[in-house]
Formats: sequence, structure tokens, C-alpha cells
Amino acid sequence: ETGVTQSPTHLIKTRGQQVTLRCSSQSGHNTVSWYQQALGQGPQFIFQYYREEENGRGNFPPRFSGLQFPNYSSELNVNALELDDSALYLCASSFDMGSSGNTIYFGEGSWLTVV
Amino acid sequence: GESVGLHLPTLSVQEGDNSIINCAYSNSASDYFIWYKQESGKGPQFIIDIRSNMDKRQGQRVTVLLNKTVKHLSLQIAATQPGDSAVYFCAENGVAAGNKLTFGGGTRVLVKP
Repeated sequence: ETGVTQSPTHLIKTRGQQVTLRCSSQSGHNTVSWYQQALGQGPQFIFQYYREEENGRGNFPPRFSGLQFPNYSSELNVNALELDDSALYLCASSFDMGSSGNTIYFGEGSWLTVV
Repeated sequence: GESVGLHLPTLSVQEGDNSIINCAYSNSASDYFIWYKQESGKGPQFIIDIRSNMDKRQGQRVTVLLNKTVKHLSLQIAATQPGDSAVYFCAENGVAAGNKLTFGGGTRVLVKP
């Protein structure tokens, strides 16, 4: 049990629709990162939020956007869904960006299927 | 739930034997390395980490070795148990690496009874 909770656990969307995924970080953590994990691959970094500001972004288009709230929970929004967006979306929680020894904990993920 | 790692390299090990999983990392600026275990349908679970100023770190039944010269990381699991069956990922991180985790390709471990 990591204390990182994600919702929903599973969802199915139609191509072109929009989706919002939610994450509650572990108590005391001020940093949330989002990762996309396609079937058979390792997680790929989408972006990171540190104290409500975006703090780094991976190679994902602008239709992937996010928010971090004052309580450090976070949302991932994906617009204009494409079939290739079908994946497990993981939220990772840490303190102070998780670098140099601050352990990074993952939630169980949200499985998104785009049809 | 759905499974991950359908096309990953697989290590088959007899229950009770030791397992060694290897990983090559890419960024010489990375200064923090982590091993994660991922079971089918679940998120990655933290196993053990190591900073770049160390070359070995031990946990409960696990040991991580770091060779910065050749950018190589390994995870050793002692007395492998059926519950160790999962996909294992190494990940690198660090301030100079952008404070993001970069994951290796993963290895599936199958424990035979």
C-alpha cells in the first residue's frame, strides 16, 4: 500500500472524446508525476507537477494536460482521444521532485481503453 | 486485470534459487536508480534504490549493484519465491536528468515450483 490512489481504475472512451484521470498523492508529498504505460512496455514520463506548477514534460502532445491542486492531488486530462492513447496511466507521488533519494511511489493506475 | 510485459525478456528460475536481473541505463547524469516490481494489473512497486555514490546496497532478500563505468545496474533476489514472479523494471533519475524517471525495458521473472 503506497498511499497513492487513482480513479477511475478502468474506463472506456470513444475516439475524439476527452478524459480526466485523478490522483491523490501520499500524505506529505508535494510532487506528482504522470506516466503512460502501453502494453508490453515500461512507463513513459508525461509530465510532473511540483507545488502546483508544471515542472518538466516528456514527449507528449499538448492535448495531454494536467493540474495540481493546493492539497497536491492532481488531474491528467487528455483531449481528442486517439486509439493509441489506450494504456495504463500511472500517477507517481514523491517529496521535492523525487530526486536523489526521495522515494517515488506509484498508484495502481487507471486503465484507459479508447475504441 | 490486463497484464504488462507481454513481449519482455523472461528469466525462469527455480523456487529457492537466486535470481539476477540486469539493466543498462542511458544517462550518465543520472544519480539515483530504483528497481520496481510490477505484478499483473498493478502499478510498479518500489523494491530498492541506490544513489550514484554507492556501488552496492542490500535490502531484505534483495541486493542492487551499480557499475557507473559501464552504466549497468543489477538486482539480485535471494531464495526466489513464487511471490517474486512479476515484471521488474530499473529506472534512473536525478536533477540533471530532469527529475523524471526513465525506465528500462523490463524483465519478466517466472518462478517455477
